[in-house]
Amino acid sequence: AQSVSQHNHHVILSEAASLELGCNYSYGGTVNLFWYVQYPGQHLQLLLKYFSGDPLVKGIKGFEAEFIKSKFSFNLRKPSVQWSDTAEYFCAVNGHNYGQNFVFGPGTRLSVLP
Amino acid sequence: DAGVIQSPRHEVTEMGQEVTLRCKPISGHNSLFWYRQTMMRGLELLIYFNNNVPIDDSGMPEDRFSAKMPNASFSTLKIQPSEPRDSAVYFCASSLGTTALPTQYFGPGTRLLVL
Repeated sequence: AQSVSQHNHHVILSEAASLELGCNYSYGGTVNLFWYVQYPGQHLQLLLKYFSGDPLVKGIKGFEAEFIKSKFSFNLRKPSVQWSDTAEYFCAVNGHNYGQNFVFGPGTRLSVLP
Repeated sequence: DAGVIQSPRHEVTEMGQEVTLRCKPISGHNSLFWYRQTMMRGLELLIYFNNNVPIDDSGMPEDRFSAKMPNASFSTLKIQPSEPRDSAVYFCASSLGTTALPTQYFGPGTRLLVL
């Protein structure tokens, strides 16, 4: 079975601080990995995705994530957060044997203080 | 391009009533997913369809929930009878069902409140 854990339930940062949100997955085979963001009151939007190739993936709004296969991790990073990054962030995994089925992590709520 | 369209955006109903949520996937997408999001349980996959056929409905909570996809451009999620614990935001998502690129695109959600 595939599963996803996110280390932090709620992260509070000041503007300009650096961000790293942890994501670990459990699946023995080849995976596709995603980070989605949900701004307050809105739907989930894709931030970035990894399918193959360069393990360092760059997404929108200055976000990036690094796939470390040996650690089953796909951590999200941003060097300098803004107040507008306040949102909930979801990591998701899609194992290649699971067709279209995603498993989402529980989410990490990020609050950026102005 | 129009994204995933859901209706209604908000629904308030009384316990015991039937509720029908609707979804129109992105044109050309052939996979459709229904999720439920609550504070307690996070984002849960209820069911997904590929080429209008239900592939995995193991997340459907119980027989009160049913989903259909009569054609490639429309799906419904029905709750009958509804209960207060069904209160949640229900998201529909669609994707182009090639194994290499299963990126899901989400609709705006239906916020359901069952009194």
